[in-house]
Amino acid sequence: EPEVTQTPSHQVTQMGQEVILRCVPISNHLYFYWYRQILGQKVEFLVSFYNNEISEKSEIFDDQFSVERPDGSNFTLKIRSTKLEDSAMYFCASSTPGQGSPSNQPQHFGDGTRLSIL
Amino acid sequence: KQEVTQIPAALSVPEGENLVLNCSFTDSAIYNLQWFRQDPGKGLTSLLLIQSSQREQTSGRLNASLDKSSGRSTLYIAASQPGDSATYLCAVKVASGTYKYIFGTGTRLKVLA
Repeated sequence: EPEVTQTPSHQVTQMGQEVILRCVPISNHLYFYWYRQILGQKVEFLVSFYNNEISEKSEIFDDQFSVERPDGSNFTLKIRSTKLEDSAMYFCASSTPGQGSPSNQPQHFGDGTRLSIL
Repeated sequence: KQEVTQIPAALSVPEGENLVLNCSFTDSAIYNLQWFRQDPGKGLTSLLLIQSSQREQTSGRLNASLDKSSGRSTLYIAASQPGDSATYLCAVKVASGTYKYIFGTGTRLKVLA
């Protein structure tokens, strides 16, 4: 069964450095998402991306964050000038288009990248 | 603002038992509701998706129901097995043009052999 893949599985970065988290969504999916889960807390939505632009973002997704689809297969999350509180598990997800907008199809998640800021 | 709550936070049952996990949400105007399974250190596996117009969905030993008017969903697991041990999350997609899911805190299930 096709799956969302994320790399690296674990990233350790010094505070203040930039980090890029990478995702390969399922190939025929057109909607892409980033979520994060701070240890012991709820999964939180960060951003959705469709047709090469951000379709929705949360208040967490400030100017420190950016997303990009640099080619036909990858979807990246860049975090500039990382802070200790950015330490979390970051999940990428994708979904197919369905009836209506936004998509009513299930979102499929990757295994996540554990980001540790020192 | 939509809030999603899951009760109980943790549950331990002997193998073979049927069990029910509960999810409640404060705003009944949802687009759909999705149940996920999360294994330790792993991502989220989609189990069932219920559209707002549906009352229930079934997949194998799993059955999810939705009562929008009361703001509740339940996930029923029949004949539980040790392999069902995981954290179960429910998430709602709020209507009115949003792409995001709002997640509950999850129920941590342990099925004892």
